[in-house]
Amino acid sequence: DIQMTQSPSSLSASVGDRVTITCRTSQTISRHLNWYQQKPGEAPKFLIFGASSLQSGVPSRFSGSGSGTDFTLTISSLQPEDFATYYCQQSYSIPITFGQGTRLEIK
Amino acid sequence: EVQLLESGGGLVQPGGSLRLSCAASGFIFSSYAMSWVRQAPGKGLEWVSGLSGSGDNTYYADSVKGRFTVSRDKSKNTLYLQMNSLRTEDTAVYYCTKTYYYDGSGFAFDHWGQGTLVTVSS
Repeated sequence: DIQMTQSPSSLSASVGDRVTITCRTSQTISRHLNWYQQKPGEAPKFLIFGASSLQSGVPSRFSGSGSGTDFTLTISSLQPEDFATYYCQQSYSIPITFGQGTRLEIK
Repeated sequence: EVQLLESGGGLVQPGGSLRLSCAASGFIFSSYAMSWVRQAPGKGLEWVSGLSGSGDNTYYADSVKGRFTVSRDKSKNTLYLQMNSLRTEDTAVYYCTKTYYYDGSGFAFDHWGQGTLVTVSS
C-alpha cells in the first residue's frame, strides 16, 4: 500500500496569510494526487486533481504542485472560510489512500 | 445537479450485519465508478470499497475484505454496501462518492453524499 504523510498535522494562521501543506508518498505516483477540504460536520469537498488542476468553482487562491512523491497545497491569502482540515489522496494504485489530514486553525 | 443520498446506518451489535444504500441522481449512474469512504469519529478518511461503472469489478480495503460486499442496481440508480461480521472498529460515518476521471488513468472523488453513521457497539 502507498503510505501518505502530510505535514504539518496542524497549523495556526491568520486571515491573509500564505500557507503551504505538504504531502509525501511512500512511492512514486506520477501526478495522481488529489486534495480535499473538510469542515466540521460536513462531507469533504473536492479541491484539486492531478496534483495541480483546480476543480471547477474552487477559488484561485488555492494551488497545488508536485509530482513523483512530493506534493504541496498552497493557499495564497487565507480567507475565514478556508479554516478546515485538508486531506491529500492518491489514485495511482489500489488501495486508494489518504493522508492523515492537516487541520488549519485560526491564530 | 449531482446528488448522493446515503441511508441504512444505525446501531448494530458486534458480529451483526447492515446494508447501506446510496441513491444517486443527476448523472448517468452506469457510466461512473463509485466508492465508499468512511471516517471514524475524530479520525481521518479511509477508502473502503469501489465498484466499476459496469459493476463487473469490485475493490476492497484489506480491513473489510471478506466481510463487506459492494454492489449496484442500475435500474434504481443505487449503490449498496453489505456489511457483515461488523466490528467495533467499523464504527464510522460512511460516505458514498462518485468518481471523476482525468488524464486517462487518474481519478478522484468529485461528489460526496452527506454520510450515514454506523455504530457497532454492544
